[in-house]
Amino acid sequence: RKEVEQDPGPFNVPEGATVAFNCTYSNSASQSFFWYRQDCRKEPKLLMSVYSSGNEDGRFTAQLNRASQYISLLIRDSKLSDSATYLCVVSTYLDTGRRALTFGSGTRLQVQP
Amino acid sequence: NAGVTQTPKFQVLKTGQSMTLQCAQDMNHNSMYWYRQDPGMGLRLIYYSASEGTTDKGEVPNGYNVSRLNKREFSLRLESAAPSQTSVYFCASSEEGDLWEKLFFGSGTQLSVL
Repeated sequence: RKEVEQDPGPFNVPEGATVAFNCTYSNSASQSFFWYRQDCRKEPKLLMSVYSSGNEDGRFTAQLNRASQYISLLIRDSKLSDSATYLCVVSTYLDTGRRALTFGSGTRLQVQP
Repeated sequence: NAGVTQTPKFQVLKTGQSMTLQCAQDMNHNSMYWYRQDPGMGLRLIYYSASEGTTDKGEVPNGYNVSRLNKREFSLRLESAAPSQTSVYFCASSEEGDLWEKLFFGSGTQLSVL
């Protein structure tokens, strides 16, 4: 089982739609959670952190469910410019005391006119 | 503000050839990283450097070496390239403390090994 799992998609949605992605993680000791966005053939960029209480940034809402070990990203009123791959990232403390980031393979979103 | 700059953007190698990927950041970050990204897989950490003069292995270090030349520069070397090293390589940097998980990535190097 992968440490961080995402549905690869693609999710094809019309402009203005609401779309949600989930990501599951296997390590219950994971500490912090993030969503990164990656445009086609570009570098990943941090979209938002995910907090236990949930957090919102404009049209984007991120939620964390520690009991079920998943995080979600909700995008409201989708824009063409939201078309990208969304990477789920989990931070975990290892036995060595070092922290490590584990990236999911991403969910591709295609917003259509 | 250039951020993280990596070169080259594209490279084709023959099996057994060597090359060095260069990376520099101008954000005064202590931590720097090299990742590879393959289709259907998440980014995987090759090596990282928590500070100038230190380097540590990541998840997939075999076949690679790194040098933290100074605080700005972190290079990745393939001594004898293999087809399994065909990938997109990203360099990244981050701050210390609570912001260490906010990575700033370079634009990537697409490497093909024939």
